[in-house]
Parts: sequence; C-alpha cells; structure tokens
Amino acid sequence: AQTVTQSQPEMSVQEAETVTLSCTYDTSENNYYLFWYKQPPSRQMILVIRQEAYKQQNATENRFSVNFQKAAKSFSLKISDSQLGDTAMYFCAFMTTSGSARQLTFGSGTQLTVLP
Amino acid sequence: AAGVIQSPRHLIKEKRETATLKCYPIPRHDTVYWYQQGPGQDPQFLISFYEKMQSDKGSIPDRFSAQQFSDYHSELNMSSLELGDSALYFCASSDGHHEQFFGPGTRLTVL
Repeated sequence: AQTVTQSQPEMSVQEAETVTLSCTYDTSENNYYLFWYKQPPSRQMILVIRQEAYKQQNATENRFSVNFQKAAKSFSLKISDSQLGDTAMYFCAFMTTSGSARQLTFGSGTQLTVLP
Repeated sequence: AAGVIQSPRHLIKEKRETATLKCYPIPRHDTVYWYQQGPGQDPQFLISFYEKMQSDKGSIPDRFSAQQFSDYHSELNMSSLELGDSALYFCASSDGHHEQFFGPGTRLTVL
C-alpha cells in the first residue's frame, strides 16, 4: 500500500513571496502519478499540478512548480508570487498506474495562509 | 465546460436513516470515484466504477453500497446512518486518463 506524508500541518507566507510545501510518499512501484490538489474554504477540490513519475522534468503551471525527487520519494510544491486567493488546504496525492485501480491516496494536508 | 454534478449539496439525516447521494460525471467520462472526507481529514477512497462495473473498493462500510447506471451517473446508498458518517462526500470522474475531476461534494450531517 502507498502512503503519503505531509509534515507541515500549517504554513503562512506574505503576499508576493514564495513558499514551498513538502510531501513525501512511500511506494514499491516504478510508474505512478503525483498530484497537488487545492481545497479553498468552499471545499471544492481543485487540481493544481500533476507529475508523471517517468518524466524527469519537473512540472510547472504558471506560478506553481514542483520539485520531484524520485529516488528520495519527495514531491514538493513551490508557489511563487503568492496571492491571497492561494489561501487553502493543499493536499498531495498519489495514484498508481498498475492494475485497474486509479484511486487517489492523499496526504493529511497543509493549510496555507497568505498574509496581506 | 461541464463539470461533475452532485446532488444534493447538503443533506441532514437522523441516526439509523438511509441516504442516497447522486453523481453525474462529466459527459464522456466513463469512470466514477467516491471519496469521504471527515472533518479535518483528507479524502478517503470509498469505491470506483468503470463502464458501469465496480473497479475497485476502498474503505467503504458494508452499510454503504453504490452503483453506476447506463447513463454513467452513480449513486451512493448509505443505510443505518451513524454519527460518524457525517462528512463531505466527493464524487470524481475520469475519462480513463490520469486526472480526476471532482464535484462540489455533498455535505452529509447525521444527527
């Protein structure tokens, strides 16, 4: 079974600054996907960014980028130029690509607060 | 663009009652997932369906059942409700690729 660990329950950052959220995972598989989801106060789950394990290049989406270290099983999210609307709970998630199972396994989340 | 629709958005039930949650996936998506998110918790996978067949099962209580219909919508049936079933229930859909699109969730409160 896979496990996902987010060791930072809460973080805060000043508006316009950069913040990095940490995530580690444990798996014996070689092929998988990793995701960061954002859950604002509305509780909607919003996909922020995804990374395929077979790709060495780190994924980027505008102000969001990841640092994927496959050997270390680490998958951190960097948010640049933080905005007030980035305030949310951020979940790291793992998805296997083996077999028929495609469910997401989530970490416990990091509550990010962007301060004005 | 069309999104995943869940109904109802809010539901209040008494202990031991039954509840039915509905999920309408994005058009042409053939896979549906159900997740349960308790207060202050991360979402936990319950069950999934692909082409109207159950594809995987997670930590779903025996009191719960689900199915996917011919039009690909799915229903989660919950019986003998307990206080601990109070949670946000998400449905997500996928077209077979590796991205799941989440609905807004159904907030179930059991009194």
